Amino acid sequence: DAKTTQPNSMESNEEEPVHLPCNHSTISGTDYIHWYRQLPSQGPEYVIHGLTSNVNNRMASLAIAEDRKSSTLILHRATLRDAAVYYCILRDADNYGQNFVFGPGTRLSVLP
Amino acid sequence: DTGVSQNPRHKITKRGQNVTFRCDPISEHNRLYWYRQTLGQGPEFLTYFQNEAQLEKSRLLSDRFSAERPKGSFSTLEIQRTEQGDSAMYLCASSSGTTFDYEQYFGPGTRLTVT
Repeated sequence: DAKTTQPNSMESNEEEPVHLPCNHSTISGTDYIHWYRQLPSQGPEYVIHGLTSNVNNRMASLAIAEDRKSSTLILHRATLRDAAVYYCILRDADNYGQNFVFGPGTRLSVLP
Repeated sequence: DTGVSQNPRHKITKRGQNVTFRCDPISEHNRLYWYRQTLGQGPEFLTYFQNEAQLEKSRLLSDRFSAERPKGSFSTLEIQRTEQGDSAMYLCASSSGTTFDYEQYFGPGTRLTVT
């Protein structure tokens, strides 16, 4: 799986939008972009995924650059519960059933 | 609560002892994964089952580690002759895996401390 790079940490104020960036310059055409997050003392949980088009769900939005070399996870109104480590992961659609390769992720702090 | 349970949640053992962890996946999920996570790092893949067949093992999984998934239901991960370097959080995840399983459901993990 191709490698991703994310900032080590970010801070946000409560109720403000948060943009979490991810660079994946070596992404291949069949790589899906996944985001997971891990709250303190819990296992990771799925947030969102996409291939080429921007995606929205109840948790977040995923904005994918036109060249797909970067993406941004958008939390529209951060809450204290959103404080977590956010992982951006690439996964080849042709390798379904394979494991996720997690990096160190971005630690998001939300200030009240 | 994702529906994936792991037991025990915490385990403290002395170096050289054997330990076994259990994972109960979501009942209809045919794929089961084990990961290991050390402090400040993301989870690292250990092994993967589809039903009862162990299809992939990471190079991280030394011969002291063994995993089973009898009858394709729950899974166990055993570590023999534990070492201090085995101290970590051990995470289990499951997925339905009918086609491209974009979502894995993780359990809360078992934290192992080897003294």
